[in-house]
Amino acid sequence: GAGVSQTPSNKVTEKGKYVELRCDPISGHTALYWYRQSLGQGPEFLIYFQGTGAADDSGLPNDRFFAVRPEGSVSTLKIQRTERGDSAVYLCASSLTGLAGRRELFFGEGSRLTVL
Amino acid sequence: QQQVKQSPQSLIVQKGGISIINCAYENTAFDYFPWYQQFPGKGPALLIAIRPDVSEKKEGRFTISFNKSAKQFSLHIMDSQPGDSATYFCAASRGGGSNYKLTFGKGTLLTVNP
Repeated sequence: GAGVSQTPSNKVTEKGKYVELRCDPISGHTALYWYRQSLGQGPEFLIYFQGTGAADDSGLPNDRFFAVRPEGSVSTLKIQRTERGDSAVYLCASSLTGLAGRRELFFGEGSRLTVL
Repeated sequence: QQQVKQSPQSLIVQKGGISIINCAYENTAFDYFPWYQQFPGKGPALLIAIRPDVSEKKEGRFTISFNKSAKQFSLHIMDSQPGDSATYFCAASRGGGSNYKLTFGKGTLLTVNP
């Protein structure tokens, strides 16, 4: 597809369960970001990948959150032992790098996670 | 510590009016200031951006005004249209390397009445 694709669009789970959210970035984009957006708030940075490696994971709230990008394209955000406070929209974004002027992040439509 | 503060939280404007949204930042290492537009159920999309070496940037009906000394910047939407009704986020990022990590404000819900 032309844009960033995220699946599932909606996920309802029970407290304590494990969840995986998938992101398929724009083809050719080497940089990939995960953000979390709570209701009525701006997106909050979680983690940044350059290629296969997590170059900046300073936004991950605790060790229940983990993300991978094994082949430098698709990424999976993994949340263990989910808590009700994890309920939010998880946004993925990708970008080209090395452009002098434009640091544009292209966002997907997000995965809405609800923890009951 | 909120590094980017945005106001107002919500804004109602009549069609044809001017919408103004303000942001203030704290970190002087920020060197790129974009505005993102988000419609319900969609991801944010880049609207317009500015660097601190200019005081104003205009693209169509959208203008960013930037005040480096005050560490403030604002979005002006001229001739506001009902289709502009959305949530607007200001953001900031630091230079250096390929990490374009953005720090967002809390957003402004704009409603343009017909």
